[in-house]
Amino acid sequence: QITLKESGPTLVKPTQTLTLTCTFSGFSLSTSGVGVGWIRQPPGKALEWLALLYWDDDERYSPSLKSRLTITKDTSKNQVVLTMTNVDPEDTATYYCAHRSITVVRGAFDFWGQGTLVTISS
Amino acid sequence: EIVLTQSPGTLSLSPGERATLSCRASQNVATTYLAWYQQKPGQAPRLLIYAASSRATGIPDRFSGSGSGTDFTLTISRLEPEDFAVYYCQHFSTSRQTFGQGTKVEIK
Repeated sequence: QITLKESGPTLVKPTQTLTLTCTFSGFSLSTSGVGVGWIRQPPGKALEWLALLYWDDDERYSPSLKSRLTITKDTSKNQVVLTMTNVDPEDTATYYCAHRSITVVRGAFDFWGQGTLVTISS
Repeated sequence: EIVLTQSPGTLSLSPGERATLSCRASQNVATTYLAWYQQKPGQAPRLLIYAASSRATGIPDRFSGSGSGTDFTLTISRLEPEDFAVYYCQHFSTSRQTFGQGTKVEIK
């Protein structure tokens, strides 16, 4: 059974760096075709993709946020970490991590964490 | 960059009615890379359809996806009470993911 869970601060001050951790189970990020992505959703708004990390360490980022994002993994801990620098109140959102399988569902996000709400405010 | 436009923004229907949701891409996309998600308030999105027309595991057969090129459709044949939610389409590639702005299906 695949599960993912996001963790991190609920409140961050503007200009600070936000670090979020996705802890997963039921799959390995060393398996060919597997990836973990981060997606966010501001209150009352649509989903926005942020970043994606593949089994082969390939990293992909949203072009509009690329300069502020870093995605890394700790395979031994089954974790994927997203770092966002210089946060702004517009970064207030629920942040989700999700499992992506190229082989099973052609690359869609088939399993999602519950999400974590991060508020950017002084 | 591919932009996905969903219509209508809100669909007001009664249980038992048919729902037809549209997702239009700004340029041709491969059907392999088009998915639909359902999101209920306070919950994470749930994958309904991948590769434009394949139902994900456990998804009832009242949900169906179709389309090609730039025009894609999610159809719910007979709305059940639990189907009232927001629906998003998504295009994905190795390097980029794009979501539509969503269609809310509400009880009339």
